[in-house]
Amino acid sequence: EPEVTQTPSHQVTQMGQEVILRCVPISNHLYFYWYRQILGQKVEFLVSFYNNEISEKSEIFDDQFSVERPDGSNFTLKIRSTKLEDSAMYFCASSPEWGKETQYFGPGTRLLVL
Amino acid sequence: QQQVKQSPQSLIVQKGGISIINCAYENTAFDYFPWYQQFPGKGPALLIAIRPDVSEKKEGRFTISFNKSAKQFSLHIMDSQPGDSATYFCAASMTSGTYKYIFGTGTRLKVLA
Repeated sequence: EPEVTQTPSHQVTQMGQEVILRCVPISNHLYFYWYRQILGQKVEFLVSFYNNEISEKSEIFDDQFSVERPDGSNFTLKIRSTKLEDSAMYFCASSPEWGKETQYFGPGTRLLVL
Repeated sequence: QQQVKQSPQSLIVQKGGISIINCAYENTAFDYFPWYQQFPGKGPALLIAIRPDVSEKKEGRFTISFNKSAKQFSLHIMDSQPGDSATYFCAASMTSGTYKYIFGTGTRLKVLA
């Protein structure tokens, strides 16, 4: 069964450093999302992406964040200058054109900012 | 308006019992309500979902009950098993928008053997 994959599974970085989290959505899916989950808290929406552009972003998704679909298969989340409060699990999700209401989540990347 | 409230925060059930998790929302524009199951270290996995045009949906041991007038929906896990021990999240989205999910705060379920 096809699944969303994410790399790396864990990332430790120093405050102020740039990180890129990578996702490979399910092939032929057209809608892409990033969510984050701070330890012990609920999953929060960050950004949605469709047709090579951001369709919606949350208040969390400030100028330090960016997303890109560089090659038609990968979907990346970049944090330009990480802060301590960016420490969280980041989930990528994708959904198909037909049945777009159902999102399929990847296993997540645990980001720790020191 | 965008919040989804979920209760209880944690739940302990005996094997074979019924687990019930409740969610409430305010925004009447929400029209898709999925439940996700999350095991430690894993991503959320879709369990079952419902639209507001039906009051109940059943898939195996999992049932969603939906009360549109009260703006509430609940997940019932019948014959709960130790393997059901996980965190459960309800969510809501607007299919007229970007389909982003607004998640509840999660319920940590433990089923005792």
